[in-house]
Amino acid sequence: QSVLTQPPSVSGAPGQRVTISCSGSDSNIASKSIHWYQHVPGAAPKLLIYTNNQRPSGVPDRFSGSKSGTSASLAISGLQSEDEADYYCALGHDGLNGPVFGGGTKLTVL
Amino acid sequence: QVQLVESGGDLVKPGGSLRLSCTSSGFSFSDYYMSWVRQAPGKGLQWISYISSSSSYINYAESVKGRFTISRDNAQNSVYLQMTNLRVEDTGVYYCTRDGDYRPDLWGQGTLVTVSA
Repeated sequence: QSVLTQPPSVSGAPGQRVTISCSGSDSNIASKSIHWYQHVPGAAPKLLIYTNNQRPSGVPDRFSGSKSGTSASLAISGLQSEDEADYYCALGHDGLNGPVFGGGTKLTVL
Repeated sequence: QVQLVESGGDLVKPGGSLRLSCTSSGFSFSDYYMSWVRQAPGKGLQWISYISSSSSYINYAESVKGRFTISRDNAQNSVYLQMTNLRVEDTGVYYCTRDGDYRPDLWGQGTLVTVSA
C-alpha cells in the first residue's frame, strides 16, 4: 500500500481532457516535489513531468502537472490513442530512501 | 543514443540466485546515481535499491535488504544487482534507472525475473 493514492483507472474520448489525481499527506506531497511517469506496457517507463509542473524536452504541452497542499494532479488535454498507458506519480529520493511511487492509474482512451 | 539496457533475467527456483546487469550509453554514467525498480505482475512500480555515483551511498528497500546487493563499474558504464535467496514474490520485471536530481529520469526496457518451483 503506497503512501501516494491514485485512482485505479480513468478514461476519456479522443480530444477530451482528463485528470489523474495523486493524494498524499503533509509529510510527503505537501513538502516534496512530485514527478509523473508514463508507462506503456512492454516499453520503458518515461518521465513525463518533474518537480510538480516541469516538462522534460520532447514531452508535448498537452501534459501538465500541478500541486496544491497534499494533492497533485496530472492533466492530459486533447487525448490521443497513444496516450493509453499507466501513469504513476512519485516522490524522488529523500537522501535516505529511494523513490516512492503511487499505485498507478490506467488511462483508457475510448 | 542515450539508453539503458538490462540483461540477466531468467527463471530461477526459490532460494536461487541471479545477477542482473544494466549497461548505459550516450551519457556520462559516472555522474549519476543509479537505481533498480521492479514491477510485479499486475502491480505497480516499486523501488528496490540505489547506488550513488561513486558507490559511497547505497540503500535498499526493506523487502530485499540482506538478500540483494547493488554495485557499479563506472569504467564499464554498468550497474548490477546481485540477487540471492530469491522468493516467489521477487518475480517481476526489473528496470534500471538513471537518477538525475534524485528522481529516475531515464529507464531501461526491463528484464524479467521469474521465481518459481
